Amino acid sequence: QLHLRQWGAGLLKPSETLSLTCGVYGGSFSAYYWSWIRQSPGKGLEWIGEINHSGNTRYNPSLESRVILSVDPSKKQFSLNLTSVTAADMGVYYCATAIVRWFDPWGRGILVTVSS
Amino acid sequence: EVVLTQSPATLSMSPGERATLSCRASQGVGRYLAWYQQKPGQTPRLLIYDASTRATGVPARFSGSGSGTDFTLTISSLEPEDFAVYYCQQRGNVPPLTFGGGTKVELK
Repeated sequence: QLHLRQWGAGLLKPSETLSLTCGVYGGSFSAYYWSWIRQSPGKGLEWIGEINHSGNTRYNPSLESRVILSVDPSKKQFSLNLTSVTAADMGVYYCATAIVRWFDPWGRGILVTVSS
Repeated sequence: EVVLTQSPATLSMSPGERATLSCRASQGVGRYLAWYQQKPGQTPRLLIYDASTRATGVPARFSGSGSGTDFTLTISSLEPEDFAVYYCQQRGNVPPLTFGGGTKVELK
């Protein structure tokens, strides 16, 4: 059964780069796209982007200029880098499996706080 | 982008009652709509995809309907574990994919 586990630093200063990684366990890494989604009280759920095992990416245009997605198929891991964070980037960041057009399962989420 | 508007924002219900949640899209998305359930402190759980197909393990009391711009999630008889926030999500032909703002089903 597919399971995602995510990790990374959750406390950042303004202008720093958010870096998160998600590991995929118990399933195929090449069969799906791998997504990042964030949730905040102000903006609700927001799709950030996704990547497949070959490195093909799709981004939300609203974040594309600051997002870098990468993948390491040998480790079955994918990563998110979000540059120049501000308070508006605070929230819970989830990795998720993109099954065709839907997301299942999701990682447990990491709370990201931006504070000087 | 396609804006999804969920209504009502809050639904106050009692166990055993029928709950009807609405999701309206600002432009047509065909049947490319999903519903998720999120309980406090938990991750969203896929309930319904392609507007009306239940995900694996989802009880039959959950049903989805609609196409184009108007969609409905119905919970036929609320169980205690169904009190949660429900989100719709579209992935039609106009990127990016988007989520609705959520409907909270709370205990009356």
